[in-house]
Amino acid sequence: DAKTTQPTSMDCAEGRAANLPCNHSTISGNEYVYWYRQIHSQGPQYIIHGLKNNETNEMASLIITEDRKSSTLILPHATLRDTAVYYCIVSGPGGGADGLTFGKGTHLIIQP
Amino acid sequence: EAGVAQSPRYKIIEKRQSVAFWCNPISGHATLYWYQQILGQGPKLLIQFQNNGVVDDSQLPKDRFSAERLKGVDSTLKIQPAKLEDSAVYLCASSPRTGYNSPLHFGNGTRLTVT
Repeated sequence: DAKTTQPTSMDCAEGRAANLPCNHSTISGNEYVYWYRQIHSQGPQYIIHGLKNNETNEMASLIITEDRKSSTLILPHATLRDTAVYYCIVSGPGGGADGLTFGKGTHLIIQP
Repeated sequence: EAGVAQSPRYKIIEKRQSVAFWCNPISGHATLYWYQQILGQGPKLLIQFQNNGVVDDSQLPKDRFSAERLKGVDSTLKIQPAKLEDSAVYLCASSPRTGYNSPLHFGNGTRLTVT
């Protein structure tokens, strides 16, 4: 699977949009971009994923650049409960079996 | 929809002892995964099952770790004998199917401490 690069940590004010960047410059055409988050003492929680097009669900929006080399996860109105580690993962046939390969993620801290 | 269930939630054992973890995936999910998460790191895949067959166990330390998924539903992960470096959270995840367009759903894990 292609490698991803994320900032180690970010802060965001409560009520503002949180924009989490991810670089995946070696992504292949058939690899998906996944976002998960992990709140302390819980298992990872699926947020959203996409291949080429931007995606939106009840939790977040995923913006993938046209060249697919980077993406941004947007939490539109961050709350204190959004404080977590956010993982950007690229998953596709190049990596063999379809289990996810996690990096260290971005620790997002929502400030009151 | 009930989530992925894991037990026990916590386990403390001494090194060289054995331990087993249990996972019940979401109903109907054919694919099941075990991950190990060491403190401060992201989860690392140990083994993947499709129904009751192993798809990938390339990162499972087979000299001490074993896993099974009898009848293609529940799964157990065993460590025998445990080492200090096995202290970690063991996460189970399931997915309705194989393939890269199918999100994983995780349980809350079993936190193992080896003393």
